[in-house]
Amino acid sequence: DVKVTQSSRYLVKRTGEKVFLECVQDMDHENMFWYRQDPGLGLRLIYFSYDVKMKEKGDIPEGYSVSREKKERFSLILESASTNQTSMYLCASNTGTGSFEQYFGPGTRLTVT
Amino acid sequence: KQEVTQIPAALSVPEGENLVLNCSFTDSAIYNLQWFRQDPGKGLTSLLLIQSSQREQTSGRLNASLDKSSGRSTLYIAASQPGDSATYLCAVDLAGNQFYFGTGTSLTVIP
Repeated sequence: DVKVTQSSRYLVKRTGEKVFLECVQDMDHENMFWYRQDPGLGLRLIYFSYDVKMKEKGDIPEGYSVSREKKERFSLILESASTNQTSMYLCASNTGTGSFEQYFGPGTRLTVT
Repeated sequence: KQEVTQIPAALSVPEGENLVLNCSFTDSAIYNLQWFRQDPGKGLTSLLLIQSSQREQTSGRLNASLDKSSGRSTLYIAASQPGDSATYLCAVDLAGNQFYFGTGTSLTVIP
């Protein structure tokens, strides 16, 4: 079974802090994604990576950056957390060939106070 | 830009009933469509994936159909159970790495 894990289930941070969210997948997938999910807005793509050190901006990259130094690990960085970044953050991965079925992690509920 | 709509936003049915969830999308040039289940406060669990060349996929009590020309997919759940209560989301994939999600249908199955 594909497994995608995220470093924290719940996180509380203060405004202005630098926040790191980590995601690890164990299926040698090429593609990894970071989404945020908000009520009424659905899932929105923040960043996408198709290979080590490669990244592409999604629909809402402002205020975020990412790092992919190893194929299995994809980090989301909030440079200076703000209250409007309070959200559920979901990581996903898929293979770069074949069916492209997406597999999701359990999510991180981030609260910025 | 691809838009994905799921109607209704919420649905409540008695246990044992068969039900259909709907998903519509505006751009028919999709690579595949995937149905997910999400329990409160949790991540998404993949239920079924239909590739663009397929018309339907089945897994246990679940059956998903795809009509690309009309921009529609349905998820059929047979003999619903209280454990089926969750939010169901559909997502369309344009190129293997461009996914667009609906906002989901919240299903409650009443014992």
